[in-house]
Amino acid sequence: SQKIEQNSEALNIQEGKTATLTCNYTNYSPAYLQWYRQDPGRGPVFLLLIRENEKEKRKERLKVTFDTTLKQSLFHITASQPADSATYLCALDISSGYSTLTFGKGTMLLVSP
Amino acid sequence: DAGVTQSPTHLIKTRGQQVTLRCSPKSGHDTVSWYQQALGQGPQFIFQYYEEEERQRGNFPDRFSGHQFPNYSSELNVNALLLGDSALYLCASSFQANTEAFFGQGTRLTVV
Repeated sequence: SQKIEQNSEALNIQEGKTATLTCNYTNYSPAYLQWYRQDPGRGPVFLLLIRENEKEKRKERLKVTFDTTLKQSLFHITASQPADSATYLCALDISSGYSTLTFGKGTMLLVSP
Repeated sequence: DAGVTQSPTHLIKTRGQQVTLRCSPKSGHDTVSWYQQALGQGPQFIFQYYEEEERQRGNFPDRFSGHQFPNYSSELNVNALLLGDSALYLCASSFQANTEAFFGQGTRLTVV
């Protein structure tokens, strides 16, 4: 069966450190993968999109890698801040470009001062 | 630009009733997708509308139906509500293929 798995436990780190979140998937061949941030009671907010032919993408303090052989994406936040505390969702588009997304359960990140 | 707007923000319904949720997409977007998010879970795709037609559908029963209007706004209808339909319902809009989705703030539906 198809599965998307993210770190099941909440991730607690100290301010200034790098947070690394993992997204593993099985039985999918996505053309691209997206990461979203979600705050409690709010809708997800788009962060980064990476295509299957891209190994790495960066945006300010964010970095995403995509390994289609390992079927894994890593999401990094460098110099983390308490304001980065949120749930981070990994999403795959398996609809051949129609932007219909299959999400993981998300990983809660807590950055303490 | 107002972004994606959804109404209402909160709703309480009784089992067996019917509900209609509304969504206005981001300006310039022509595709609307609906997701259901249960507590502690990721959003689950319900269906997508493009050019007033249902283009894609997830694994949801026929009690879930929708509509898209000529101005690209959309409605989600759920009939014969069950307690298990309690969730955050999210609307997302997009324009071209292989691009990011913009989400609204969601409608919190509680079925009692």
